[in-house]
Amino acid sequence: ETGVTQTPRHLVMGMTNKKSLKCEQHLGHNAMYWYKQSAKKPLELMFVYNFKEQTENNSVPSRFSPECPNSSHLFLHLHTLQPEDSALYLCASSRERDGYGYTFGSGTRLTVV
Amino acid sequence: KQEVTQIPAALSVPEGENLVLNCSFTDSAIYNLQWFRQDPGKGLTSLLLIQSSQREQTSGRLNASLDKSSGRSTLYIAASQPGDSATYLCAEGNYGQNFVFGPGTRLSVLP
Repeated sequence: ETGVTQTPRHLVMGMTNKKSLKCEQHLGHNAMYWYKQSAKKPLELMFVYNFKEQTENNSVPSRFSPECPNSSHLFLHLHTLQPEDSALYLCASSRERDGYGYTFGSGTRLTVV
Repeated sequence: KQEVTQIPAALSVPEGENLVLNCSFTDSAIYNLQWFRQDPGKGLTSLLLIQSSQREQTSGRLNASLDKSSGRSTLYIAASQPGDSATYLCAEGNYGQNFVFGPGTRLSVLP
């Protein structure tokens, strides 16, 4: 374990379902990130939270809704997804947005059917 | 716009060989550079982090170097093993900005 825990590890959902991904870290980090990694594509930054405030939304469709209730927890709420949203969703944290270094979770493998 | 590239995209070597993975970046004001390993379908594991004031970092059989003036970093793997097979990504960081990731090099070490 890296100190960043993501649940669930695998998720299969229908296009009309609503589900949530969870990320938790107890490293004392203040910045948290959601990344999407599709097959054979580079990492795509989705959202950035710094001290619980969203500082970046990288033109992500509204069917993805992030939530950061505190500096240790980050959620990604999913609804009415499309099959092309199937991917590995990675959460990361860093001390601050200071470029000091990222710690990643193991990811959630999402399949939309 | 900051950009990070990695060459080669894929590499296959026999077990025991020493090898070098390359990472190039365009941001000369880089704050640090981080190398990651990713196994298929898994998250990224941090290998080495080099601050801009440093020239290299070592961990076991791994050695990463940083040359800001040329915009390059290399990851040297000594005496490669089949367990080293994975995708290796580099990412450059700048203060107050998000890391920019390279596309990765897929390494296969053959027994």
